[in-house]
Amino acid sequence: GQQLNQSPQSMFIQEGEDVSMNCTSSSIFNTWLWYKQDPGEGPVLLIALYKAGELTSNGRLTAQFGITRKDSFLNISASIPSDVGIYFCAGLTGTASKLTFGTGTRLQVTL
Amino acid sequence: DAGVTQSPTHLIKTRGQQVTLRCSPKSGHDTVSWYQQALGQGPQFIFQYYEEEERQRGNFPDRFSGHQFPNYSSELNVNALLLGDSALYLCASSPTENTGELFFGEGSRLTVL
Repeated sequence: GQQLNQSPQSMFIQEGEDVSMNCTSSSIFNTWLWYKQDPGEGPVLLIALYKAGELTSNGRLTAQFGITRKDSFLNISASIPSDVGIYFCAGLTGTASKLTFGTGTRLQVTL
Repeated sequence: DAGVTQSPTHLIKTRGQQVTLRCSPKSGHDTVSWYQQALGQGPQFIFQYYEEEERQRGNFPDRFSGHQFPNYSSELNVNALLLGDSALYLCASSPTENTGELFFGEGSRLTVL
């Protein structure tokens, strides 16, 4: 099945650094979402974006819905050890309720 | 307030067998979706249930079927298991259809030998 392209695939950063990751698609989506998955857990919603160009923050997280509606990025500022995990972008079309997920970005934070 | 609960958490089956996975949605949610997550991949949509009917279906064969009960809980059935069916099966609930804001359970990890 289709998956959105995420980059980078994995990142190793030091505690306190800022992180940036993005997600691209060949298709247009009307909603973009970012989820985080910890080992042995299901994904947890971080941020939802509903309008092209929209910039939304949730604490140290900031995400943007690309103008073309084919991309999105997620920034994490001042990373901490609990930020470790796999970050997935997901897209939703207007009339369908099925999410199309990205391939994931694995984040490792070193002290 | 219990979140989404799934059972069993782990199970091992052999090729050709059948499996049933169960899901109870978060309190107040009436829509249940199922996703398959292969190792190292993002989740793939299988189908969604609302008002006890399958509303949307992803690109999965008829060997994958489901059911939703009047109390909104749901089952995923997979017949004639293949090695490639080994994956984490995630159930997600939402308070309505047509939303991407899903609450996921911890998943059922299926291994097919």
